[in-house]
Amino acid sequence: DIQMTQSPFSLSASVGDRVTITCRASQSVSSYLNWYQQKPGKAPELLIYAASSLQSGVPSRFSGSGSGTDFTLTISSLQPEDFATYYCQQSYSTPLTFGGGTKVEIK
Amino acid sequence: EVQLVQSGAEMKKPGESLKISCKGSGYSFSSYWIGWVRQMPGKGLEWMGIIYPSDSDTRYSPSFQGQVTISADKSITTAYLQWSSLKASDTAMYYCARHRDWLRRGTYFHFYGMDVWGQGTTVTVSS
Repeated sequence: DIQMTQSPFSLSASVGDRVTITCRASQSVSSYLNWYQQKPGKAPELLIYAASSLQSGVPSRFSGSGSGTDFTLTISSLQPEDFATYYCQQSYSTPLTFGGGTKVEIK
Repeated sequence: EVQLVQSGAEMKKPGESLKISCKGSGYSFSSYWIGWVRQMPGKGLEWMGIIYPSDSDTRYSPSFQGQVTISADKSITTAYLQWSSLKASDTAMYYCARHRDWLRRGTYFHFYGMDVWGQGTTVTVSS
């Protein structure tokens, strides 16, 4: 199985900050890497697919980059509604696997 | 509107069986892979398995193989997740979700993100 490691585990940031979350795969997943946002009590929502493609309806302050084993999710200017937990997921091969999550909290 | 609607919360005893459902609408149900994801209380997301409703091709995570059964009935645009004998450790929220696209290269399948999610089904197993 491909292991996905996210960092940091959690972070505190202020509205307007630039936030970066990283995700590392234990082997190459090409560009089959997705990012999700989950708010408490809600289902996850797809933000980024294929490493850098913005899902329809997702604000442009979210962006993704990387290929192979190292990936990044960036929020260019953190908004109040962005405080949530973020997960990466490789969809290169089954079993598809998620990272452990990064909780973004208000500073 | 494209949506997945899951069945309601369940409260069961250890050893009982259960089948929860995920009904798709607003799109060609047979043409998109549907995955199931577990989230235990206060924990992260775990991918359980995936099914292609058109031909019921199913793949499981080794962690869940033999523990659950994933199925689909394309005639009623519904996917299912079932247990034959529940354990307390099955207590969790279960989500179904659609993959927005997929690519086949030989015998390998690659998937794109899960773009439509059900609202989740809470399963509580307690004596």
